[in-house]
Amino acid sequence: EIVMTQTPLSLSVTPGEPASIACRSTQNLFDSDDRKTYVDWYLQKPGQSPHLLIYALSHRASGVPDRFSGSGSGTDFTLKISRVEAEDVGVYYCMQRIDFPLTFGQGTRLEIK
Amino acid sequence: QVQLQESGSGLVKPSQTLSLTCAVSGASISSGDYSWNWIRQSPGKGLEWIGYIYHLGSSYYTPSLKSRLTISLDRSRNQFSLKLKSVTAADTGIYFCAASLRGSGTQDYWGQGTLVTVSS
Repeated sequence: EIVMTQTPLSLSVTPGEPASIACRSTQNLFDSDDRKTYVDWYLQKPGQSPHLLIYALSHRASGVPDRFSGSGSGTDFTLKISRVEAEDVGVYYCMQRIDFPLTFGQGTRLEIK
Repeated sequence: QVQLQESGSGLVKPSQTLSLTCAVSGASISSGDYSWNWIRQSPGKGLEWIGYIYHLGSSYYTPSLKSRLTISLDRSRNQFSLKLKSVTAADTGIYFCAASLRGSGTQDYWGQGTLVTVSS
């Protein structure tokens, strides 16, 4: 199975400052047939179920603020928050869906300073 | 907007069967618009995708649980279910059901989750 590794596992950010989370996969997540990269990002806010932020590498889900962006290629991916807000606290997960079983990263906990 | 609601046994004894149901509203599980997924979150661990079922009954189970797991559809009630037999303490956690548009794998909608504890 594909292993997803996130770094850092936790970060503390001052409101208004940027934040970046890295995710690395053990296999290439780019499908050359349809030219899509099969990595998604989810946020689990405290006490809630996860919800979708980014799909297919860089596409924001409906209602997700444009301060969130996804990038990367092959096996290395990044979620960036351009200006962190208090409501962004929680645990962020990357997930690959190019192959079964679907697998998640360990999660990165974002807290506000 | 698809809404999902888990229900089922919150406390299960070791070696017994864990049974959960996910009620779906806002979509028909028979339409083929979504695949229907189960994901769990164990204490101190992250998210683990368990498996999915599609409208015609095709399914995929994660290999580590495949021998103990059954996911099924109840079209008359517009819900899908999970049964995990021979449970141990390692199966304790929060179980989420989720919907993936056109079976893409992206988990577009999630239930609120239900806590299952395996203990005697």
